[in-house]
Amino acid sequence: EPEVTQTPSHQVTQMGQEVILRCVPISNHLYFYWYRQILGQKVEFLVSFYNNEISEKSEIFDDQFSVERPDGSNFTLKIRSTKLEDSAMYFCASRKTGIMSYEQYFGPGTRLTVT
Amino acid sequence: AQKVTQAQTEISVVEKEDVTLDCVYETRDTTYYLFWYKQPPSGELVFLIRRNSFDEQNEISGRYSWNFQKSTSSFNFTITASQVVDSAVYFCALSEAGYTGTASKLTFGTGTRLQVTL
Repeated sequence: EPEVTQTPSHQVTQMGQEVILRCVPISNHLYFYWYRQILGQKVEFLVSFYNNEISEKSEIFDDQFSVERPDGSNFTLKIRSTKLEDSAMYFCASRKTGIMSYEQYFGPGTRLTVT
Repeated sequence: AQKVTQAQTEISVVEKEDVTLDCVYETRDTTYYLFWYKQPPSGELVFLIRRNSFDEQNEISGRYSWNFQKSTSSFNFTITASQVVDSAVYFCALSEAGYTGTASKLTFGTGTRLQVTL
Protein backbone atom coordinates (compact mmCIF):
# COMPACT_ATOMS: atom_id res chain seq x y z
CA GLU A 1 0.00 0.00 0.00
CA PRO A 2 1.45 3.38 -0.98
CA GLU A 3 2.51 5.60 1.89
CA VAL A 4 3.97 9.01 2.62
CA THR A 5 7.66 8.92 3.47
CA GLN A 6 9.73 11.52 5.30
CA THR A 7 13.45 12.06 5.76
CA PRO A 8 15.29 12.34 8.00
CA SER A 9 13.48 10.67 10.88
CA HIS A 10 15.41 12.80 13.36
CA GLN A 11 17.32 16.03 12.81
CA VAL A 12 19.37 17.83 15.41
CA THR A 13 20.44 21.36 14.59
CA GLN A 14 21.80 24.42 16.31
CA MET A 15 19.76 27.55 16.79
CA GLY A 16 20.06 29.86 13.78
CA GLN A 17 20.82 27.08 11.32
CA GLU A 18 18.72 26.29 8.28
CA VAL A 19 17.01 22.92 8.01
CA ILE A 20 15.18 21.23 5.17
CA LEU A 21 12.69 18.50 5.92
CA ARG A 22 11.80 16.23 3.05
CA CYS A 23 8.65 14.37 2.16
CA VAL A 24 7.58 12.11 -0.66
CA PRO A 25 3.77 12.18 -0.85
CA ILE A 26 1.69 9.34 -2.22
CA SER A 27 2.15 9.39 -5.99
CA ASN A 28 -1.39 10.16 -7.21
CA HIS A 29 -2.08 12.74 -4.50
CA LEU A 30 -2.18 16.40 -5.42
CA TYR A 31 -2.74 18.17 -2.10
CA PHE A 32 0.17 18.40 0.32
CA TYR A 33 0.42 19.61 3.88
CA TRP A 34 2.81 20.20 6.71
CA TYR A 35 1.79 19.95 10.35
CA ARG A 36 3.78 20.07 13.53
CA GLN A 37 3.33 18.57 16.98
CA ILE A 38 5.22 19.96 19.91
CA LEU A 39 5.93 17.14 22.35
CA GLY A 40 2.80 16.08 24.20
CA GLN A 41 0.59 18.62 22.45
CA LYS A 42 -1.90 18.58 19.64
CA VAL A 43 -1.14 18.48 15.96
CA GLU A 44 -1.11 21.97 14.42
CA PHE A 45 -1.55 22.93 10.77
CA LEU A 46 1.29 24.83 9.15
CA VAL A 47 0.64 25.04 5.42
CA SER A 48 -1.20 23.46 2.52
CA PHE A 49 0.04 23.30 -1.06
CA TYR A 50 -1.79 22.63 -4.31
CA ASN A 51 -1.04 23.24 -7.95
CA ASN A 52 2.47 24.44 -7.13
CA GLU A 53 1.43 27.15 -4.75
CA ILE A 54 0.49 27.66 -1.13
CA SER A 55 -3.27 27.31 -0.61
CA GLU A 56 -3.40 28.27 3.03
CA LYS A 57 -0.97 28.91 5.86
CA SER A 58 -1.32 29.35 9.58
CA GLU A 59 0.04 32.15 11.72
CA ILE A 60 2.86 29.79 12.73
CA PHE A 61 4.08 29.71 9.13
CA ASP A 62 5.94 33.01 9.13
CA ASP A 63 8.73 34.30 6.89
CA GLN A 64 11.17 31.80 8.37
CA PHE A 65 9.27 28.94 6.75
CA SER A 66 8.99 28.04 3.10
CA VAL A 67 7.76 25.06 1.10
CA GLU A 68 8.74 23.79 -2.27
CA ARG A 69 8.00 20.98 -4.67
CA PRO A 70 11.34 20.87 -6.44
CA ASP A 71 10.45 17.92 -8.69
CA GLY A 72 7.57 15.58 -9.37
CA SER A 73 7.92 13.62 -6.17
CA ASN A 74 9.45 15.61 -3.31
CA PHE A 75 7.80 18.19 -1.09
CA THR A 76 10.07 20.10 1.26
CA LEU A 77 9.72 22.35 4.29
CA LYS A 78 12.56 24.77 4.94
CA ILE A 79 13.12 26.63 8.17
CA ARG A 80 15.56 29.42 7.46
CA SER A 81 16.88 30.21 10.90
CA THR A 82 15.76 27.73 13.52
CA LYS A 83 14.71 28.75 17.02
CA LEU A 84 14.47 26.63 20.15
CA GLU A 85 10.68 26.74 19.92
CA ASP A 86 10.80 25.08 16.48
CA SER A 87 11.67 21.82 18.22
CA ALA A 88 8.78 19.52 17.38
CA MET A 89 7.68 16.57 15.29
CA TYR A 90 6.92 17.68 11.75
CA PHE A 91 4.43 15.65 9.77
CA CYS A 92 3.88 15.74 6.05
CA ALA A 93 0.49 14.65 4.71
CA SER A 94 -1.13 14.26 1.33
CA ARG A 95 -4.54 13.57 -0.11
CA LYS A 96 -6.19 12.90 -3.43
CA THR A 97 -8.33 15.33 -5.36
CA GLY A 98 -12.06 14.91 -5.42
CA ILE A 99 -14.72 16.18 -3.07
CA MET A 100 -15.08 12.76 -1.46
CA SER A 101 -11.39 12.36 -0.77
CA TYR A 102 -10.80 14.53 2.25
CA GLU A 103 -8.79 12.09 4.32
CA GLN A 104 -5.15 13.01 4.65
CA TYR A 105 -2.47 10.38 4.92
CA PHE A 106 0.46 11.21 7.13
CA GLY A 107 4.11 10.34 6.96
CA PRO A 108 5.97 8.97 9.99
CA GLY A 109 7.27 12.42 10.91
CA THR A 110 10.63 14.11 11.35
CA ARG A 111 11.63 14.91 14.90
CA LEU A 112 13.45 18.25 14.85
CA THR A 113 15.54 19.12 17.86
CA VAL A 114 16.98 22.63 18.02
CA THR A 115 19.77 23.14 20.56
CA ALA B 1 -13.44 29.44 13.16
CA GLN B 2 -13.37 25.71 13.54
CA LYS B 3 -12.61 24.04 16.85
CA VAL B 4 -12.43 20.48 18.17
CA THR B 5 -12.66 19.62 21.84
CA GLN B 6 -11.64 16.33 23.37
CA ALA B 7 -12.36 16.80 27.05
CA GLN B 8 -10.91 13.46 28.14
CA THR B 9 -7.17 13.85 28.49
CA GLU B 10 -6.45 10.29 29.55
CA ILE B 11 -8.50 7.13 29.98
CA SER B 12 -7.34 3.87 31.56
CA VAL B 13 -9.25 0.65 31.09
CA VAL B 14 -8.65 -3.01 31.64
CA GLU B 15 -8.52 -5.23 28.60
CA LYS B 16 -11.93 -6.37 27.30
CA GLU B 17 -13.68 -3.29 28.66
CA ASP B 18 -15.57 -1.04 26.26
CA VAL B 19 -14.43 2.56 26.09
CA THR B 20 -15.87 5.67 24.44
CA LEU B 21 -13.78 8.64 23.41
CA ASP B 22 -15.67 11.90 23.17
CA CYS B 23 -15.30 14.58 20.51
CA VAL B 24 -17.24 17.83 20.23
CA TYR B 25 -16.70 20.20 17.34
CA GLU B 26 -17.58 23.74 16.28
CA THR B 27 -17.86 25.02 12.74
CA ARG B 28 -19.86 27.60 10.82
CA ASP B 29 -19.75 25.61 7.60
CA THR B 30 -22.74 23.54 6.63
CA THR B 31 -20.54 21.01 4.86
CA TYR B 32 -17.61 19.60 6.78
CA TYR B 33 -15.75 16.38 7.46
CA LEU B 34 -14.83 14.68 10.70
CA PHE B 35 -11.98 12.29 11.26
CA TRP B 36 -10.38 10.10 13.85
CA TYR B 37 -6.66 9.41 13.83
CA LYS B 38 -4.67 7.06 16.03
CA GLN B 39 -1.16 7.89 17.22
CA PRO B 40 0.49 4.79 18.69
CA PRO B 41 3.64 5.07 20.85
CA SER B 42 5.74 4.86 17.68
CA GLY B 43 4.44 8.33 16.80
CA GLU B 44 2.88 8.06 13.37
CA LEU B 45 -0.66 9.28 12.67
CA VAL B 46 -2.93 6.58 11.36
CA PHE B 47 -6.20 7.48 9.65
CA LEU B 48 -9.16 5.56 11.08
CA ILE B 49 -12.34 7.07 9.67
CA ARG B 50 -13.89 10.02 7.84
CA ARG B 51 -17.50 11.06 8.29
CA ASN B 52 -19.25 13.65 6.08
CA SER B 53 -21.57 16.21 7.67
CA PHE B 54 -24.43 15.22 5.39
CA ASP B 55 -24.25 11.55 6.37
CA GLU B 56 -25.28 10.87 9.96
CA GLN B 57 -25.30 7.13 9.60
CA ASN B 58 -23.22 5.50 12.30
CA GLU B 59 -20.45 3.18 11.31
CA ILE B 60 -19.01 0.00 12.71
CA SER B 61 -15.70 -1.54 11.71
CA GLY B 62 -14.83 -4.61 13.71
CA ARG B 63 -14.42 -3.53 17.34
CA TYR B 64 -14.59 0.15 16.40
CA SER B 65 -17.77 2.17 16.06
CA TRP B 66 -18.50 5.83 15.58
CA ASN B 67 -21.53 7.82 16.63
CA PHE B 68 -22.07 11.09 14.75
CA GLN B 69 -24.76 13.38 16.15
CA LYS B 70 -25.15 16.69 14.37
CA SER B 71 -27.68 17.92 16.93
CA THR B 72 -25.05 17.87 19.66
CA SER B 73 -22.03 18.49 17.37
CA SER B 74 -20.44 15.30 18.57
CA PHE B 75 -18.52 12.51 16.89
CA ASN B 76 -17.75 9.87 19.50
CA PHE B 77 -15.60 6.80 19.06
CA THR B 78 -16.22 3.51 20.87
CA ILE B 79 -13.83 0.61 21.13
CA THR B 80 -15.54 -2.61 22.13
CA ALA B 81 -13.60 -5.26 24.03
CA SER B 82 -10.46 -3.15 24.19
CA GLN B 83 -7.05 -4.72 23.71
CA VAL B 84 -3.57 -3.71 24.81
CA VAL B 85 -2.75 -2.88 21.18
CA ASP B 86 -5.40 -0.16 21.30
CA SER B 87 -3.19 1.84 23.67
CA ALA B 88 -2.48 5.08 21.84
CA VAL B 89 -3.41 8.73 21.63
CA TYR B 90 -6.56 9.24 19.61
CA PHE B 91 -7.19 12.52 17.83
CA CYS B 92 -10.47 13.81 16.49
CA ALA B 93 -10.15 16.29 13.63
CA LEU B 94 -12.36 18.55 11.51
CA SER B 95 -12.02 19.85 7.97
CA GLU B 96 -14.31 22.38 6.36
CA ALA B 97 -15.36 21.77 2.76
CA GLY B 98 -13.73 24.81 1.22
CA TYR B 99 -13.91 25.69 -2.44
CA THR B 100 -12.86 23.54 -5.34
CA GLY B 101 -9.11 23.52 -5.40
CA THR B 102 -8.77 24.61 -1.81
CA ALA B 103 -6.89 22.08 0.25
CA SER B 104 -8.79 22.15 3.50
CA LYS B 105 -6.64 21.92 6.58
CA LEU B 106 -7.33 19.59 9.48
CA THR B 107 -8.04 21.12 12.86
CA PHE B 108 -7.19 18.62 15.57
CA GLY B 109 -8.41 18.21 19.11
CA THR B 110 -5.91 17.86 21.92
CA GLY B 111 -6.17 14.08 21.87
CA THR B 112 -7.18 11.41 24.36
CA ARG B 113 -4.52 9.06 25.64
CA LEU B 114 -5.98 5.57 26.02
CA GLN B 115 -4.14 3.11 28.21
CA VAL B 116 -5.34 -0.49 28.09
CA THR B 117 -3.87 -2.81 30.68
CA LEU B 118 -4.10 -6.54 31.27
